[in-house]
Amino acid sequence: DVKVTQSSRYLVKRTGEKVFLECVQDMDHENMFWYRQDPGLGLRLIYFSYDVKMKEKGDIPEGYSVSREKKERFSLILESASTNQTSMYLCASSLVSAADGVEQYFGPGTRLTVT
Amino acid sequence: GQSLEQPSEVTAVEGAIVQINCTYQTSGFYGLSWYQQHDGGAPTFLSYNALDGLEETGRFSSFLSRSDSYGYLLLQELQMKDSASYFCAVKRYSTLTFGKGTMLLVSP
Repeated sequence: DVKVTQSSRYLVKRTGEKVFLECVQDMDHENMFWYRQDPGLGLRLIYFSYDVKMKEKGDIPEGYSVSREKKERFSLILESASTNQTSMYLCASSLVSAADGVEQYFGPGTRLTVT
Repeated sequence: GQSLEQPSEVTAVEGAIVQINCTYQTSGFYGLSWYQQHDGGAPTFLSYNALDGLEETGRFSSFLSRSDSYGYLLLQELQMKDSASYFCAVKRYSTLTFGKGTMLLVSP
């Protein structure tokens, strides 16, 4: 079974802090994604990566950056956390050859609260 | 721009059949996917339609009409465990854009 793990289930940070959210997948997937999920808004794509050291902006990249130094690990960085970044953050990965990369496997999520 | 519309909530009783509709407007459309998310859980992949027509997987079926920019998820023989949120998502180039989700409440 594919396993996607995220470094924390719950995180509380202060405004202005630099925040790192880490995601690791164990199935050699090429694609990795970071989403945020807010009530009534569904999942919104922040950034994605289709290869090591490659990254592409999603729909809401402002205030975020990412790093992919190894194939299995994809990090989301909040350079200076703000209260409007309080959200559930979900990491996902997919194999390009499986359902054209549509079948994404999600981690359990990190609920981040910025105070 | 792009948009996906799906009902915010649907209710049904155990054993019934329910259909969750999804209409979309987007450029670069490749296909329509469906995900299920139980409360407090991670989204899980249910289906993907790249071509028009009906795809069946057990109790769940998914349909796509490209000409109508419309699709639906059909759940048959509903069970209590089907109570969850269901998201349609359009595949554009190399990413998915998700709808806001439909909460399905199944009652005894």
